[in-house]
Amino acid sequence: GESVGLHLPTLSVQEGDNSIINCAYSNSASDYFIWYKQESGKGPQFIIDIRSNMDKRQGQRVTVLLNKTVKHLSLQIAATQPGDSAVYFCAESNNNAGNMLTFGGGTRLMVKP
Amino acid sequence: GAVVSQHPSRVICKSGTSVKIECRSLDFQATTMFWYRQFPKQSLMLMATSNEGSKATYEQGVEKDKFLINHASLTLSTLTVTSAHPEDSSFYICSAALSASYGETQYFGPGTRLLVL
Repeated sequence: GESVGLHLPTLSVQEGDNSIINCAYSNSASDYFIWYKQESGKGPQFIIDIRSNMDKRQGQRVTVLLNKTVKHLSLQIAATQPGDSAVYFCAESNNNAGNMLTFGGGTRLMVKP
Repeated sequence: GAVVSQHPSRVICKSGTSVKIECRSLDFQATTMFWYRQFPKQSLMLMATSNEGSKATYEQGVEKDKFLINHASLTLSTLTVTSAHPEDSSFYICSAALSASYGETQYFGPGTRLLVL
């Protein structure tokens, strides 16, 4: 069935470096994407979102890139900090499903001091 | 911003007992609430969608008689795990939204860790 998945289950980066977390999706009807951060034992925390009419969106230290041609999106974190260590999930939605979300498999980001 | 709470945050129970988990939207009225289950090192899996005043819609493979959902008010939804067994041990997360409309933001609760002995 349709799914949202990730390429890398674990990403280890040095503090101060940039991080790139990737996500592939298969539902061609997906038109709204969200990145979440989840710390251990906590609920998901919204980071940034992007709609399919855009290919890039920037926030504070984060950038999301969307490539609809290959059904791929990425989350870039600039100057990664120890507090960025968490599991990151992408989620997708489409207007046929209301505001229901389908979550990807998650990538654990480990920041080395 | 919108705040969603869950209670309890952690619960340990004996096999065969029932456990109730509450999800509350603290500063907004949530017509729609979602219940997710997350096993260790896995993603969030949607269990059911509840709309205030109506029956919940369960995802395929989720037993509605085992996971009872009640959404009796615009600020409270409850998930009752009936006759819990060790395989029900998981992290249960709820989210709340103003409506089920496309693009309506889901605000997530902090989760409830359930351990069934």
